[in-house]
Amino acid sequence: GENVEQHPSTLSVQEGDSAVIKCTYSDSASNYFPWYKQELGKRPQLIIDIRSNVGEKKDQRIAVTLNKTAKHFSLHITETQPEDSAVYFCAAAGGSYIPTFGRGTSLIVHP
Amino acid sequence: EPEVTQTPSHQVTQMGQEVILRCVPISNHLYFYWYRQILGQKVEFLVSFYNNEISEKSEIFDDQFSVERPDGSNFTLKIRSTKLEDSAMYFCASRKGPLSYEQYFGPGTRLTVT
Repeated sequence: GENVEQHPSTLSVQEGDSAVIKCTYSDSASNYFPWYKQELGKRPQLIIDIRSNVGEKKDQRIAVTLNKTAKHFSLHITETQPEDSAVYFCAAAGGSYIPTFGRGTSLIVHP
Repeated sequence: EPEVTQTPSHQVTQMGQEVILRCVPISNHLYFYWYRQILGQKVEFLVSFYNNEISEKSEIFDDQFSVERPDGSNFTLKIRSTKLEDSAMYFCASRKGPLSYEQYFGPGTRLTVT
C-alpha cells in the first residue's frame, strides 16, 4: 500500500517568515495530493491540493509543488501569521480516492 | 456552505459497550468515509461506503465495526464491543462524485472508552 512520510514533525518560525513542509510517497500510481490544516480539536480542513498533471499550484500565500519523478511534494507558506499555527497533514491518493496521510507537522508561528 | 455534521461531539463509554457514531454527509455527496485519529497521531482510514455498500476497508475495520446508511441522510459507524484502544477521534467525510477527489471532513466525535 501507499506510504507517506512527512517532515519535519515540528516547525517553529517567526511571523513573516516562510515555512516549508515536505512529503514523500511510495506508490507511483498516486495522482492526487491534498494538504489539510487541523487546528487543535477541530476537523482537518482542505487548504490546497494538486493533481499529478501539474507541477505547482498557488493560492495566495500557500503553494504546493510536486515532483512525480522523485515522488515528493511540498507545501510552502509565505509571510506566515500566528493564525497559520496548526498541524498540517499531507496525503496521497490514487484510483481508490482514499488518501493516505502523513504523520503531520506542527507549525508554530511566533508573533 | 454545506458541511458534514457529526453527533455526538464527545462520547464516553465503558469497555465492552456498543456505541453508534452518527454523521450527516453533505446532501449531494455520494461517497462516505470514516477515519480514526488517535490523540497526537495521523488520520487513519477505516472504511468507505458507496451505493449502500462498503467499497473498501482497512485492517483496522474488523468484525467489531459496521457501517450503515439507515436513511437518506445519516451515515453511522457502530462499534459492537468497545476496547480501550478504540479511544480516538472519529471523523466522517464525504465526497461528491466519481470525478471529485476532494473529501470534506466533519467535526469529529471524540470517543473515550474507560
